[in-house]
Amino acid sequence: NAGVTQTPKFRILKIGQSMTLQCAQDMNHNYMYWYRQDPGMGLKLIYYSVGAGITDKGEVPNGYNVSRSTTEDFPLRLELAAPSQTSVYFCASSYDGLYEQYFGPGTRLTVT
Amino acid sequence: AQKVTQAQTEISVVEKEDVTLDCVYETRDTTYYLFWYKQPPSGELVFLIRRNSFDEQNEISGRYSWNFQKSTSSFNFTITASQVVDSAVYFCALLRFGNEKLTFGTGTRLTIIP
Repeated sequence: NAGVTQTPKFRILKIGQSMTLQCAQDMNHNYMYWYRQDPGMGLKLIYYSVGAGITDKGEVPNGYNVSRSTTEDFPLRLELAAPSQTSVYFCASSYDGLYEQYFGPGTRLTVT
Repeated sequence: AQKVTQAQTEISVVEKEDVTLDCVYETRDTTYYLFWYKQPPSGELVFLIRRNSFDEQNEISGRYSWNFQKSTSSFNFTITASQVVDSAVYFCALLRFGNEKLTFGTGTRLTIIP
């Protein structure tokens, strides 16, 4: 099992550009999550999904969009990138919402 | 609202010393879950332990142990005989039953000095 995979590992965007962060898991987990981690801070939830076709906002959803068309994939879309979106982004998955989450390796995004 | 406080921002200890990382949480729920995660310098988050609110037994796993006390709303993590490989940022997190969202503390950066 590869677990949770994320691409790309690093990306530099110019202000106003858009991009999609990819996340996939091969553990047949129902729940998937997107977090951002700013320096010296804990993780903040952006969006989450409890199953294919179902998504919901987390604590900091503004400027982001998600979709969940399959159990395996949960891409995060950044529209009109802003410097405030410079962060490390983690995708995670869980068998159900009460169990431990397994994290991907992260994507370091810089917006300049 | 729920909250997790890790008051120790950074801790440094000499190798082989014992060290305790504090975690204090706030919630009005009676059913909840507490977690610890490790984030080594490589950046990935590694799950360490999950504890539900009805199980106050202390847990030991090798050099790691966890002390859960509902009376003080604390879930502290102790590393015995620390090693350089224990150097990492450690996060405590809280999950309410019926709410799928984890609330993370801000983390404690632990440095083990050889």
